[in-house]
Amino acid sequence: DAKTTQPPSMDCAEGRAANLPCNHSTISGNEYVYWYRQIHSQGPQYIIHGLKNNETNEMASLIITEDRKSSTLILPHATLRDTAVYYCIVLNSGGSNYKLTFGKGTLLTVNP
Amino acid sequence: ETGVTQSPTHLIKTRGQQVTLRCSSQSGHNTVSWYQQALGQGPQFIFQYYREEENGRGNFPPRFSGLQFPNYSSELNVNALELDDSALYLCAISLRDWGLGYTFGSGTRLTVV
Repeated sequence: DAKTTQPPSMDCAEGRAANLPCNHSTISGNEYVYWYRQIHSQGPQYIIHGLKNNETNEMASLIITEDRKSSTLILPHATLRDTAVYYCIVLNSGGSNYKLTFGKGTLLTVNP
Repeated sequence: ETGVTQSPTHLIKTRGQQVTLRCSSQSGHNTVSWYQQALGQGPQFIFQYYREEENGRGNFPPRFSGLQFPNYSSELNVNALELDDSALYLCAISLRDWGLGYTFGSGTRLTVV
């Protein structure tokens, strides 16, 4: 699976949009981009995933560049409860072993 | 509440002992994975079970073993505990439809002294 690079930490004001970047320059054509987050003392929580097109769900939006070498997770109106470590993961879902390779992620702190 | 229950939530063991951690889910699933998360690090993949058979393993020694049962529960067993085994152990389930992603439990915090 391709390696990802994320900033170690980011701050965001409550009510503003949080934009979390991820670089995955070695991503291959059949690899998806997944985002999970981990709030303190809990297990990781699935947020969203995509292959080529931008995706949106009730939690967030995922913007993937045309060359697929980077992506941005957008939380449109961040709240204090969105403070967490956010993990960007690239995954080849074509095989039978769907292991998630976590890096250190980005610690997003939402400030009042 | 994720629907994935892990027990116990906290555990203290002595070096050299054996430990069994448990994971259960209310929903039907056919894949269960276990992860180890050391303090300040992202979770690391231990192994995955599909239909009660191991079908993938990370860089962990054989003293880490597991079981998946027909009733959707699973166990992680660790023999000959070492101090470095102190970590949060996470269980994750998924349906074979990968588009749903993995659902994680809240983990078991294991401390080896």
